[in-house]
Formats: sequence, C-alpha cells, structure tokens
Amino acid sequence: AQSVTQPDIHITVSEGASLELRCNYSYGATPYLFWYVQSPGQGLQLLLKYFSGDTLVQGIKGFEAEFKRSQSSFNLRKPSVHWSDAAEYFCAVGSFNQGGKLIFGQGTELSVKP
Amino acid sequence: GAVVSQHPSRVICKSGTSVKIECRSLDFQATTMFWYRQFPKQSLMLMATSNEGSKATYEQGVEKDKFLINHASLTLSTLTVTSAHPEDSSFYICSARRESSGNTIYFGEGSWLTVV
Repeated sequence: AQSVTQPDIHITVSEGASLELRCNYSYGATPYLFWYVQSPGQGLQLLLKYFSGDTLVQGIKGFEAEFKRSQSSFNLRKPSVHWSDAAEYFCAVGSFNQGGKLIFGQGTELSVKP
Repeated sequence: GAVVSQHPSRVICKSGTSVKIECRSLDFQATTMFWYRQFPKQSLMLMATSNEGSKATYEQGVEKDKFLINHASLTLSTLTVTSAHPEDSSFYICSARRESSGNTIYFGEGSWLTVV
C-alpha cells in the first residue's frame, strides 16, 4: 500500500537551532517527493520537491531535503530555524503515473521557542 | 508565478443547503485538478480528481452524489457540497496540475466550510 509516515507529530526547537523533520514513504512506483508548509488557516506552500537527479534538493526559505532510496526517506532539514518557521509541515509522495495525485503524511507541527 | 485561487475562502451555510467552492488556475490551463479535504489537526485526504470535460474520479469512500465536481473549463473546477451537514465542516483545498511546466502541482489557499 502507498503511504507516507511522519513519525513526529510535534517538534519544538529553539530559534537558531538546527531542524530535521522525518518522512518515510512506501510507494510502488518511482516516487516524486514533496515537502509543503501550512500556516494556521492557510493553504499549502511548496518548500521543495524531488523528481530525479541529485538526491539533495534545495528549497525555499533555507530548507533542504535528502532523498535516500535505501531508507525510503525524504527528511527535511534547516541549519538554523527562525521563529517564522513555526507551522505545520507535510511530506507528500506522488508519481507521474498518478497524474499529480498526492498522498500526504500526517504532518509535523513545528514550534519555535525564543 | 503560477497561482491557483479558491473562492470563497470562508463560508458558513445552514444544514441542508448546498454550497459551491471554486478553484481557478489564474495563469495557466489545467486539464486536471484535485480536491482534498482536511479536518482540523489532520492531514489532507484526496477526495477526487477533476478532469476537464469528463466526469471526476472519486476516491473510495467519497460520496459522489454529495460532493459534486464540475470541471467545465480549463481554468475552473467547482466542488458543490450538497445537503450540507455539520460533519461536512472542514477545510477544502484544491490543486491544479500545470502540464506546461513538467506537471508541477500548485495548491489553492483553501476554503473553510462551516455548516451550522
């Protein structure tokens, strides 16, 4: 079955500290992987995506993610968190064969303390 | 850049009435759009795939007679919640596939529906 797992429901980090949000997937076809961020009551903003090529992808707002096929993971990282990064983060997987249909993880809520 | 717009962003309706939510791709054509539903503090669940000029494809467990989807043009898909019930209160988000840019997916801002 196709699925996306974000093991951490809620993470709290101090401002300026590094961040890693975990994402594991189970997908039969070659996956396209995405990270989205959602502020309360808002829509989704794409942080980055991986289709092919270099397994380390750079996104907006200083985020990066690394695709590790052997571990079926696509963890999101940021070296120094800002208070404005507090939000809900969703990992998603899809494939070209699925035509753009995405499967989302449960989300990880990030809190940033001063 | 590409933008997908949803309208209304918030709507309150009475039980038993119908409410329509629009999803527009503002600067590109989208033959395929998607409708997701998100309950508070939960993830997004795909409801249906909206195909321009043909019937929508619904995910298992989604009532097609209750959630009517129409994709009458290349820039507009609508979701109509019929005979709305308080349990239908949720955040509805659409996305559109931009084929001209490698099938990139763009999401709308979402629409809050409250049924009272």
